[in-house]
Amino acid sequence: GIQVEQSPPDLILQEGANSTLRCNFSDSVNNLQWFHQNPWGQLINLFYIPSGTKQNGRLSATTVATERYSLLYISSSQTTDSGVYFCAVGIIQGAQKLVFGQGTRLTINP
Amino acid sequence: DSGVTQTPKHLITATGQRVTLRCSPRSGDLSVYWYQQSLDQGLQFLIQYYNGEERAKGNILERFSAQQFPDLHSELNLSSLELGDSALYFCASSVPRGRNTGELFFGEGSRLTVL
Repeated sequence: GIQVEQSPPDLILQEGANSTLRCNFSDSVNNLQWFHQNPWGQLINLFYIPSGTKQNGRLSATTVATERYSLLYISSSQTTDSGVYFCAVGIIQGAQKLVFGQGTRLTINP
Repeated sequence: DSGVTQTPKHLITATGQRVTLRCSPRSGDLSVYWYQQSLDQGLQFLIQYYNGEERAKGNILERFSAQQFPDLHSELNLSSLELGDSALYFCASSVPRGRNTGELFFGEGSRLTVL
């Protein structure tokens, strides 16, 4: 099956810093989502981005489907950005399912 | 608020017991998905239903079963529980785009602890 690798596994930053999270995948996809799991366990949708670039406030994401990677950018980090960021991808193999990477744990210190 | 409702939020039970987790999808979403999140396995896809019918199956144990009812809510039944079944169980829903699942929206999860 498809492999999804996220890097780095852990990232510790000071408030106000910028960060780039990466998601590599091993097969062509037509579905890619980024999620933020907050310290309470909630999975929050950030982007649905199978290709192209999107921005939402301090967050933006870019997916280069032909090169099989996606990037999530967080600018001017805040302590509320702490948590685990997941990339999830889907390919067409029968009925599609979304496969999650192992996540990047981001800690923003005040 | 994603619009996906899961109950109960927390559940503590003993080995060998059976529990039922419930999920109400977002209004208009026909597909429901169940995922298990454990510390050592990450987020694992269990099963998908579309408009009452099973659409896709992942690594769901034979002790687990699910169904989607005519009103589109779904239940995940876990039986003969083992310590290793302790996990956070998520339900998600979406409006599929052809064979693409579309954008998934997740509920807050049901945290199951088996003692």
